[in-house]
Amino acid sequence: EAQVTQNPRYLITVTGKKLTVTCSQNMNHEYMSWYRQDPGLGLRQIYYSMNVEVTDKGDVPEGYKVSRKEKRNFPLILESPSPNQTSLYFCASSFGQGAREPQHFGDGTRLSIL
Amino acid sequence: GENVEQHPSTLSVQEGDSAVIKCTYSDSASNYFPWYKQELGKRPQLIIDIRSNVGEKKDQRIAVTLNKTAKHFSLHITETQPEDSAVYFCAASKIDKLSFGAGTTVTVRA
Repeated sequence: EAQVTQNPRYLITVTGKKLTVTCSQNMNHEYMSWYRQDPGLGLRQIYYSMNVEVTDKGDVPEGYKVSRKEKRNFPLILESPSPNQTSLYFCASSFGQGAREPQHFGDGTRLSIL
Repeated sequence: GENVEQHPSTLSVQEGDSAVIKCTYSDSASNYFPWYKQELGKRPQLIIDIRSNVGEKKDQRIAVTLNKTAKHFSLHITETQPEDSAVYFCAASKIDKLSFGAGTTVTVRA
């Protein structure tokens, strides 16, 4: 089944404790991206990757890191999480022309930073 | 960067009536405009999209219109049904970045 898989689905952690949210897709998509969803703000793009070894900042990259060493994986790293990063996070991927194609979203990861 | 504004933030309609959601964008270079539906607790899913070389697109009860000159686009849902209740997001993109509106919560009253 074609899908985008995120792990974990839920995480409660404390300020400053490094964490990684994994994202994997099995559709051989070139484009992958991370979004955070907050009430009243919609989805805001954190980072995106047009292809392997190519990453760039979205609209809200502060406090986050990403890497794209393999085509299928695009982990989101919070090296020193803070409470303002408490949010619902979605990974997405698409084929071909990057953000100009339908995005396939994962099921989301709900992070709570205490 | 791109700024997408979406109105209204909430919309309540009687079953069978039409629903219209409007979005504006700021970057004239944007050329792809998708609409996503998100049911409670679920992932966003694409329901329809339109590219800048097209003015209107329809898929059964859903239609999208695009006015490039005015930089606005709209989603029209006709003959609304209870299963249309969800949050709807518009978005605008160029090649690499995708910017979303803040969302519209649509409630269809039986």
